Amino acid sequence: DVKVTQSSRYLVKRTGEKVFLECVQDMDHENMFWYRQDPGLGLRLIYFSYDVKMKEKGDIPEGYSVSREKKERFSLILESASTNQTSMYLCASSRPGTWQQETQYFGPGTRLLVL
Amino acid sequence: SQKIEQNSEALNIQEGKTATLTCNYTNYSPAYLQWYRQDPGRGPVFLLLIRENEKEKRKERLKVTFDTTLKQSLFHITASQPADSATYLCALLSGGSYIPTFGRGTSLIVHP
Repeated sequence: DVKVTQSSRYLVKRTGEKVFLECVQDMDHENMFWYRQDPGLGLRLIYFSYDVKMKEKGDIPEGYSVSREKKERFSLILESASTNQTSMYLCASSRPGTWQQETQYFGPGTRLLVL
Repeated sequence: SQKIEQNSEALNIQEGKTATLTCNYTNYSPAYLQWYRQDPGRGPVFLLLIRENEKEKRKERLKVTFDTTLKQSLFHITASQPADSATYLCALLSGGSYIPTFGRGTSLIVHP
Protein backbone atom coordinates (compact mmCIF):
# COMPACT_ATOMS: atom_id res chain seq x y z
CA ASP A 1 0.00 0.00 0.00
CA VAL A 2 1.12 3.50 -0.78
CA LYS A 3 1.83 5.49 2.30
CA VAL A 4 2.01 9.25 2.46
CA THR A 5 2.92 10.70 5.82
CA GLN A 6 2.89 14.27 7.04
CA SER A 7 5.08 15.54 9.83
CA SER A 8 2.33 16.86 12.08
CA ARG A 9 -1.41 16.32 12.45
CA TYR A 10 -1.94 19.57 14.33
CA LEU A 11 0.20 22.67 14.47
CA VAL A 12 -0.25 26.03 16.21
CA LYS A 13 1.97 28.92 15.14
CA ARG A 14 2.13 32.64 15.68
CA THR A 15 1.76 35.29 12.99
CA GLY A 16 5.10 35.98 11.33
CA GLU A 17 6.66 32.62 12.18
CA LYS A 18 8.28 30.49 9.49
CA VAL A 19 6.45 27.20 9.21
CA PHE A 20 7.66 23.95 7.64
CA LEU A 21 5.27 21.20 6.66
CA GLU A 22 6.91 17.98 5.60
CA CYS A 23 5.53 15.19 3.46
CA VAL A 24 7.09 11.81 2.74
CA GLN A 25 5.86 9.09 0.39
CA ASP A 26 7.24 5.57 0.23
CA MET A 27 6.20 4.45 -3.26
CA ASP A 28 8.78 6.16 -5.44
CA HIS A 29 6.17 8.45 -7.00
CA GLU A 30 7.40 11.17 -9.32
CA ASN A 31 4.58 13.62 -8.68
CA MET A 32 3.89 15.32 -5.38
CA PHE A 33 1.35 17.97 -4.50
CA TRP A 34 0.39 20.37 -1.73
CA TYR A 35 -3.22 21.43 -1.28
CA ARG A 36 -5.09 23.41 1.26
CA GLN A 37 -8.69 22.65 2.09
CA ASP A 38 -11.10 25.14 3.57
CA PRO A 39 -14.83 24.78 4.27
CA GLY A 40 -16.87 25.75 1.23
CA LEU A 41 -13.78 26.15 -0.97
CA GLY A 42 -12.73 22.57 -1.45
CA LEU A 43 -9.22 21.48 -2.34
CA ARG A 44 -6.99 24.16 -3.79
CA LEU A 45 -3.62 23.37 -5.30
CA ILE A 46 -0.72 25.37 -3.87
CA TYR A 47 2.34 23.83 -5.54
CA PHE A 48 3.28 20.61 -7.23
CA SER A 49 6.46 18.88 -8.26
CA TYR A 50 7.00 16.34 -11.03
CA ASP A 51 10.61 15.54 -10.23
CA VAL A 52 13.39 16.22 -7.75
CA LYS A 53 14.24 19.92 -7.58
CA MET A 54 11.37 20.73 -9.94
CA LYS A 55 8.39 22.75 -8.80
CA GLU A 56 5.41 24.41 -10.40
CA LYS A 57 2.94 26.90 -9.01
CA GLY A 58 -0.60 25.80 -8.51
CA ASP A 59 -3.66 27.97 -8.17
CA ILE A 60 -2.76 29.74 -4.91
CA PRO A 61 1.04 29.88 -4.45
CA GLU A 62 1.21 33.32 -2.84
CA GLY A 63 2.74 33.23 0.62
CA TYR A 64 4.13 29.71 0.15
CA SER A 65 7.25 28.09 -1.19
CA VAL A 66 8.28 24.46 -1.59
CA SER A 67 11.35 22.31 -1.61
CA ARG A 68 11.98 18.91 -3.13
CA GLU A 69 15.56 17.81 -2.56
CA LYS A 70 14.76 14.10 -2.53
CA LYS A 71 12.20 12.16 -4.52
CA GLU A 72 10.31 10.94 -1.50
CA ARG A 73 10.09 14.24 0.35
CA PHE A 74 8.18 17.42 -0.50
CA SER A 75 8.17 20.33 1.93
CA LEU A 76 5.81 23.27 2.09
CA ILE A 77 7.14 26.45 3.64
CA LEU A 78 5.16 29.38 4.94
CA GLU A 79 7.77 32.12 4.98
CA SER A 80 5.82 34.38 7.35
CA ALA A 81 2.65 32.78 8.61
CA SER A 82 -0.52 34.83 8.57
CA THR A 83 -3.93 34.16 10.07
CA ASN A 84 -5.46 33.62 6.62
CA GLN A 85 -3.19 30.61 6.23
CA THR A 86 -5.07 28.79 8.97
CA SER A 87 -6.28 25.72 7.12
CA MET A 88 -6.04 21.98 6.58
CA TYR A 89 -2.98 21.18 4.48
CA LEU A 90 -2.94 18.00 2.45
CA CYS A 91 -0.02 16.41 0.66
CA ALA A 92 -0.54 13.93 -2.17
CA SER A 93 1.57 11.88 -4.54
CA SER A 94 0.94 10.10 -7.82
CA ARG A 95 2.81 8.16 -10.48
CA PRO A 96 2.35 9.36 -14.05
CA GLY A 97 1.37 7.05 -16.84
CA THR A 98 -0.09 4.21 -14.81
CA TRP A 99 -3.32 2.40 -15.54
CA GLN A 100 -4.80 4.11 -12.52
CA GLN A 101 -4.25 7.35 -14.41
CA GLU A 102 -2.94 9.75 -11.88
CA THR A 103 -4.68 8.43 -8.82
CA GLN A 104 -3.71 10.72 -6.02
CA TYR A 105 -2.64 9.23 -2.69
CA PHE A 106 -3.18 11.67 0.14
CA GLY A 107 -1.56 12.04 3.50
CA PRO A 108 -3.62 12.40 6.69
CA GLY A 109 -3.42 16.19 6.61
CA THR A 110 -1.99 18.86 8.89
CA ARG A 111 -4.43 21.20 10.57
CA LEU A 112 -2.58 24.48 10.98
CA LEU A 113 -3.79 27.26 13.24
CA VAL A 114 -2.05 30.62 12.97
CA LEU A 115 -2.70 32.93 15.90
CA SER B 1 -13.86 29.01 -16.92
CA GLN B 2 -13.86 25.36 -15.95
CA LYS B 3 -16.37 24.52 -13.30
CA ILE B 4 -17.20 21.38 -11.34
CA GLU B 5 -20.40 21.27 -9.34
CA GLN B 6 -21.30 18.90 -6.57
CA ASN B 7 -24.32 19.39 -4.38
CA SER B 8 -23.24 21.41 -1.38
CA GLU B 9 -26.19 20.21 0.68
CA ALA B 10 -25.72 17.00 2.59
CA LEU B 11 -27.54 13.93 1.34
CA ASN B 12 -29.41 12.14 4.11
CA ILE B 13 -30.65 8.61 3.45
CA GLN B 14 -31.78 5.57 5.39
CA GLU B 15 -29.59 2.53 5.78
CA GLY B 16 -30.18 -0.02 3.05
CA LYS B 17 -31.21 2.53 0.42
CA THR B 18 -29.18 3.52 -2.62
CA ALA B 19 -27.31 6.80 -2.34
CA THR B 20 -26.80 8.77 -5.55
CA LEU B 21 -24.37 11.66 -5.73
CA THR B 22 -23.97 13.96 -8.72
CA CYS B 23 -20.97 15.63 -10.31
CA ASN B 24 -21.63 18.14 -13.09
CA TYR B 25 -19.02 20.03 -15.05
CA THR B 26 -18.87 22.82 -17.60
CA ASN B 27 -16.21 24.15 -19.95
CA TYR B 28 -14.25 20.97 -19.55
CA SER B 29 -13.53 17.92 -21.67
CA PRO B 30 -12.22 15.40 -19.19
CA ALA B 31 -10.65 12.17 -20.33
CA TYR B 32 -10.99 10.65 -16.87
CA LEU B 33 -13.17 11.15 -13.86
CA GLN B 34 -12.31 9.96 -10.37
CA TRP B 35 -14.28 9.63 -7.16
CA TYR B 36 -12.70 9.94 -3.72
CA ARG B 37 -14.02 9.47 -0.22
CA GLN B 38 -12.98 11.79 2.60
CA ASP B 39 -13.66 11.21 6.27
CA PRO B 40 -13.61 14.17 8.72
CA GLY B 41 -10.08 15.30 9.50
CA ARG B 42 -8.55 12.87 7.00
CA GLY B 43 -7.14 12.99 3.50
CA PRO B 44 -9.26 11.82 0.54
CA VAL B 45 -9.03 8.18 -0.48
CA PHE B 46 -9.37 7.08 -4.10
CA LEU B 47 -12.39 4.90 -4.90
CA LEU B 48 -13.01 4.61 -8.62
CA LEU B 49 -11.88 5.92 -11.99
CA ILE B 50 -13.94 6.00 -15.17
CA ARG B 51 -12.70 6.91 -18.65
CA GLU B 52 -14.56 9.07 -21.15
CA ASN B 53 -15.29 6.09 -23.38
CA GLU B 54 -16.78 4.08 -20.51
CA LYS B 55 -20.41 4.46 -19.59
CA GLU B 56 -20.34 2.65 -16.30
CA LYS B 57 -17.92 1.21 -13.76
CA ARG B 58 -18.63 -0.98 -10.75
CA LYS B 59 -16.74 -1.97 -7.67
CA GLU B 60 -18.55 -3.98 -5.01
CA ARG B 61 -21.46 -1.76 -3.85
CA LEU B 62 -20.21 1.25 -5.83
CA LYS B 63 -21.27 2.23 -9.32
CA VAL B 64 -20.16 5.23 -11.35
CA THR B 65 -21.63 6.47 -14.61
CA PHE B 66 -20.11 9.02 -16.94
CA ASP B 67 -22.21 10.87 -19.52
CA THR B 68 -20.02 13.18 -21.60
CA THR B 69 -23.08 14.51 -23.45
CA LEU B 70 -24.79 15.61 -20.27
CA LYS B 71 -21.39 16.48 -18.74
CA GLN B 72 -22.31 14.54 -15.65
CA SER B 73 -21.18 11.66 -13.49
CA LEU B 74 -23.39 9.82 -11.04
CA PHE B 75 -21.96 7.93 -8.08
CA HIS B 76 -24.16 5.26 -6.53
CA ILE B 77 -23.74 3.34 -3.30
CA THR B 78 -26.18 0.45 -3.07
CA ALA B 79 -27.33 -1.06 0.23
CA SER B 80 -25.85 1.93 2.03
CA GLN B 81 -24.54 1.59 5.57
CA PRO B 82 -23.83 4.15 8.31
CA ALA B 83 -20.12 3.45 7.69
CA ASP B 84 -20.57 4.95 4.21
CA SER B 85 -21.18 8.35 5.81
CA ALA B 86 -18.43 10.65 4.52
CA THR B 87 -17.79 13.39 2.00
CA TYR B 88 -17.40 12.24 -1.61
CA LEU B 89 -15.31 14.23 -4.05
CA CYS B 90 -15.25 13.97 -7.80
CA ALA B 91 -12.13 14.91 -9.73
CA LEU B 92 -11.63 15.44 -13.45
CA LEU B 93 -8.48 15.01 -15.53
CA SER B 94 -7.81 16.04 -19.08
CA GLY B 95 -5.96 13.59 -21.28
CA GLY B 96 -2.22 13.83 -20.68
CA SER B 97 -2.64 15.80 -17.48
CA TYR B 98 -1.63 14.48 -14.09
CA ILE B 99 -3.29 17.23 -12.11
CA PRO B 100 -6.92 16.58 -11.25
CA THR B 101 -9.44 19.33 -10.70
CA PHE B 102 -11.52 18.54 -7.63
CA GLY B 103 -15.12 19.34 -6.90
CA ARG B 104 -15.99 20.64 -3.45
CA GLY B 105 -17.59 17.39 -2.41
CA THR B 106 -20.97 16.26 -1.15
CA SER B 107 -21.55 15.01 2.37
CA LEU B 108 -23.45 11.73 2.66
CA ILE B 109 -25.13 10.79 5.93
CA VAL B 110 -26.59 7.32 6.23
CA HIS B 111 -29.00 6.95 9.11
CA PRO B 112 -29.41 3.57 10.88
